[in-house]
Amino acid sequence: DGGITQSPKYLFRKEGQNVTLSCEQNLNHDAMYWYRQDPGQGLRLIYYSQIVNDFQKGDIAEGYSVSREKKESFPLTVTSAQKNPTAFYLCASSFPRTVGNEKLFFGSGTQLSVL
Amino acid sequence: QKEVEQDPGPLSVPEGAIVSLNCTYSNSAFQYFMWYRQYSRKGPELLMYTYSSGNKEDGRFTAQVDKSSKYISLFIRDSQPSDSATYLCAMSFSGGYNKLIFGAGTRLAVHP
Repeated sequence: DGGITQSPKYLFRKEGQNVTLSCEQNLNHDAMYWYRQDPGQGLRLIYYSQIVNDFQKGDIAEGYSVSREKKESFPLTVTSAQKNPTAFYLCASSFPRTVGNEKLFFGSGTQLSVL
Repeated sequence: QKEVEQDPGPLSVPEGAIVSLNCTYSNSAFQYFMWYRQYSRKGPELLMYTYSSGNKEDGRFTAQVDKSSKYISLFIRDSQPSDSATYLCAMSFSGGYNKLIFGAGTRLAVHP
């Protein structure tokens, strides 16, 4: 089945620790995104990548880092510099914008909590 | 002021009711308008997409866009308990990638 796989489903971070969230897609999509969702707030864009080996900061990139070494994979690292990391993290992918290809496909998310 | 405003609810309706969900926005440059449905602790899924003022219908769902008033709506007819979810509006500008601006989401509960 084609889709986006995020792992783990739940993740706990200790103070001062970096943690990495995995996102893999087999949809052959060029573009991939990371969003953060907090209760009562909309999704906010952390990073996005339109092609391999290239990525751009979104609206709330501070304290996060990403890599895009393969088309299928876009891992997100939450660094110790991110002081409020508790949130639901969503990975998404899409074809680049052309008419009819605007649909974002989302993974099932990772809930990150601080110990 | 947020770019996209959406009442978080919760909204509780009886089965069979017509549901109206709304978003307002401040930036007239938004060109594309979407509604996503998100079940608890799952990723959002696209329900409706439109890029022009007017109505678009898909089964029990109707999306309405009024660009002059900067207002979009999603109507659900004959609501079902399975429609219980959070509904997120989203908007984007024209141009090369899908950077979406999301509303906060409205939590809907349809009770039998």
